[in-house]
Amino acid sequence: DVKVTQSSRYLVKRTGEKVFLECVQDMDHENMFWYRQDPGLGLRLIYFSYDVKMKEKGDIPEGYSVSREKKERFSLILESASTNQTSMYLCASSLGTGDGYTFGSGTRLTVV
Amino acid sequence: GENVEQHPSTLSVQEGDSAVIKCTYSDSASNYFPWYKQELGKGPQLIIDIRSNVGEKKDQRIAVTLNKTAKHFSLHITETQPEDSAVYFCAASRNGANSKLTFGKGITLSVRP
Repeated sequence: DVKVTQSSRYLVKRTGEKVFLECVQDMDHENMFWYRQDPGLGLRLIYFSYDVKMKEKGDIPEGYSVSREKKERFSLILESASTNQTSMYLCASSLGTGDGYTFGSGTRLTVV
Repeated sequence: GENVEQHPSTLSVQEGDSAVIKCTYSDSASNYFPWYKQELGKGPQLIIDIRSNVGEKKDQRIAVTLNKTAKHFSLHITETQPEDSAVYFCAASRNGANSKLTFGKGITLSVRP
């Protein structure tokens, strides 16, 4: 089975800190995605990547950036964490366009 | 762009009954429709999907039906069990370079023992 691993399940950071959320997939998937999940708002796409060193903005990219230096790893960066970025962050990958996604278990980030 | 809607936001059924969750989509070019189940504290997991060249697909107690004319698709769960309690997301996408899934907001299914 494809495995998508997110480095932390729970994270507490202070306002203004630079935060790195790491995601690794082990099945040579081309595409990787970062979502945030908030009650009543569903899954909102932050950034995605269809290839190494390639990135595209999703629906809510403000305050975030990403890095994909290797095919298996996709990092989400909060340049200066703010309390409104407290959320559940989910990473996903897919083999190609038009394929289902495999999600990680999520990182619950609290910014205080 | 694509818009996927799920209604209602919550559904409660008695154990053993059937549950039907419906989604509508707006992009007539969409041709891939997966369903995800998210249990508490976990990431969403793909449970079944359907492509536009078929109208129905079954996997044990779950099935998905697609009506392309009306642009809606539904998840059917028979003989519901307490472990079916979860949040269910539908999604849609089209083929083509850089296409991606558009998700509904999710529905919380509660199965009463």
